Amino acid sequence: AQRVTQPEKLLSVFKGAPVELKCNYSYSGSPELFWYVQYSRQRLQLLLRHISRESIKGFTADLNKGETSFHLKKPFAQEEDSAMYYCALSPFSGSARHLTFGSGTQLTVLP
Amino acid sequence: EPEVTQTPSHQVTQMGQEVILRCVPISNHLYFYWYRQILGQKVEFLVSFYNNEISEKSEIFDDQFSVERPDGSNFTLKIRSTKLEDSAMYFCASSEGGGRQGTQYFGPGTRLLVL
Repeated sequence: AQRVTQPEKLLSVFKGAPVELKCNYSYSGSPELFWYVQYSRQRLQLLLRHISRESIKGFTADLNKGETSFHLKKPFAQEEDSAMYYCALSPFSGSARHLTFGSGTQLTVLP
Repeated sequence: EPEVTQTPSHQVTQMGQEVILRCVPISNHLYFYWYRQILGQKVEFLVSFYNNEISEKSEIFDDQFSVERPDGSNFTLKIRSTKLEDSAMYFCASSEGGGRQGTQYFGPGTRLLVL
């Protein structure tokens, strides 16, 4: 079975401070990991996926297979980063592969 | 930029009634999904659909649920006889490919309330 854990329901940081949203996963095979973001009154949208190794809006995430983690980081948070962040996992192989989501972390960046 | 659309945005129904939730995936996408999120809980996978048939389904997707692609554009989720516990936000998603090409794009959701 695959499972994603986001231990923090709520996280508040001040503008300009570093932010780290934690994500741990459990999966017996080889996973693909994602971060999705949902801004207020908007749809879920992909922020980044581990195979892309991109930095989007200043966010990065590194897959640590030893610790089974995929934490999302940004060195200097901005007020517009305030949103709900979901970590998600899907199997790396196969055709139509569903996402398993964590429970989400509500990030608030304070002025 | 093309987007997944869903109708209606809100639906209120009586327990035992049938509901149909509609989705228009992005036009060149081949894989379609339904997820739901009960208030305060995780987003949960219901079903995936490819090549006019179900590819995967979760334990939640029992005989009360069905999906259909009635024409070239719509993708529907039908709940035959709604229960109170079906109250949730239902999200449709689509992807261009499966596997590594499969970034899933989500619709805005339909909020279903069963009374």
